[in-house]
Amino acid sequence: AQTVTQSQPEMSVQEAETVTLSCTYDTSESNYYLFWYKQPPSRQMILVIRQEAYKQQNATENRFSVNFQKAAKSFSLKISDSQLGDTAMYFCAFMKIGGGSEKLVFGKGTKLTVNP
Amino acid sequence: GAVVSQHPSWVICKSGTSVKIECRSLDFQATTMFWYRQFPKQSLMLMATSNEGSKATYEQGVEKDKFLINHASLTLSTLTVTSAHPEDSSFYICRSGGGISYEQYFGPGTRLTVT
Repeated sequence: AQTVTQSQPEMSVQEAETVTLSCTYDTSESNYYLFWYKQPPSRQMILVIRQEAYKQQNATENRFSVNFQKAAKSFSLKISDSQLGDTAMYFCAFMKIGGGSEKLVFGKGTKLTVNP
Repeated sequence: GAVVSQHPSWVICKSGTSVKIECRSLDFQATTMFWYRQFPKQSLMLMATSNEGSKATYEQGVEKDKFLINHASLTLSTLTVTSAHPEDSSFYICRSGGGISYEQYFGPGTRLTVT
């Protein structure tokens, strides 16, 4: 079974600064997706960024980028130029590709607070 | 983009009663729907997977007779919490599936409070 570990329960950062959230995972699969989701106080799950395991290039979405280290099974999220609206819970998630299952396995989350 | 709605957004019910939560895909067909439960300050835990026209598959430890899931059409899946107890109070979220794997559409969630 796959597991996802987020070792930082809480983090804080000053507005406009950069913060990195950590995520490691354990799997024997070779083909999978990794995701970062944001859950603001409204509790709506919002996709931040997605990485396909077969792609060596790290995904980027505007101020958000990942450092995907497949051999180390590490998938960290970097948020640049942090904004107050980035305050939220962030969940790292794993999905195996194929086999007819689209189950998402979530980490326990990191609560990020952006301070003015 | 694709939208998944949930109704109600918040429900309060008395212990022993049943409550139904609806999850609708508004502009696409969802052959699969995933139901999650999230307790305060915790992560999302998968409860069950429903496929249109067939029985739901429940995760280990989830009581299928208590959490009834129906996926009667390609746009509607329902979760019924039967004989609710205060410990069932939680945030319930649905997520669509069955399309392109990496496209994930979550409903806004339903907050259930059992008194």
